[in-house]
Amino acid sequence: KQEVTQIPAALSVPEGENLVLNCSFTDSAIYNLQWFRQDPGKGLTSLLLIQSSQREQTSGRLNASLDKSSGRSTLYIAASQPGDSATYLCAVITNTGNQFYFGTGTSLTVIP
Amino acid sequence: GAVVSQHPSRVICKSGTSVKIECRSLDFQATTMFWYRQFPKKSLMLMATSNEGSKATYEQGVEKDKFLINHASLTLSTLTVTSAHPEDSSFYICSAREPSGKQVDEQFFGPGTRLTVL
Repeated sequence: KQEVTQIPAALSVPEGENLVLNCSFTDSAIYNLQWFRQDPGKGLTSLLLIQSSQREQTSGRLNASLDKSSGRSTLYIAASQPGDSATYLCAVITNTGNQFYFGTGTSLTVIP
Repeated sequence: GAVVSQHPSRVICKSGTSVKIECRSLDFQATTMFWYRQFPKKSLMLMATSNEGSKATYEQGVEKDKFLINHASLTLSTLTVTSAHPEDSSFYICSAREPSGKQVDEQFFGPGTRLTVL
């Protein structure tokens, strides 16, 4: 069974810092990997989707990379802002099931 | 991207009552929808896969008689929590798969429903 882990579980940084969130998965037979943002008590906002054939995706200050063979992905946030404070979830979809496996999440706090 | 809505966004009920949560795909037809549950400060756990016109597929450990799923149309799936108890209090999120002809279709998530059982 696919297991997705995110490190660290929580992260607090001063505004303006660049930061990296990590995601690892146990089964490399994935179709794609997606990063989401979740604000407290809210649903999911899709940030970036990386297909298994891709190495990275970029959107504004966000850059996500994927190393499928090693079962790892990183989300890089440049020049962090207080509005970036949220929980970040990574999720993988397998080749066969159309099922999402979610990571445990990283709670990010950006201090003004 | 495609839009998925959920109703209600928040519900409070008494123990022993049943609660229905709706998940709608607003601008596409979804033959498959998924229901997730999220406990406080935990990640999302798949509860069941809802297939239009057929029975839902439940994940191991999820009581199908407790969580009734109906997917009567291509744009609507409902989750009914029967005889709700305080331990059913949680955040329930649905997602809908938009058919694209690809090996794996993109999924879009609803905004979630916060259920509190007193």
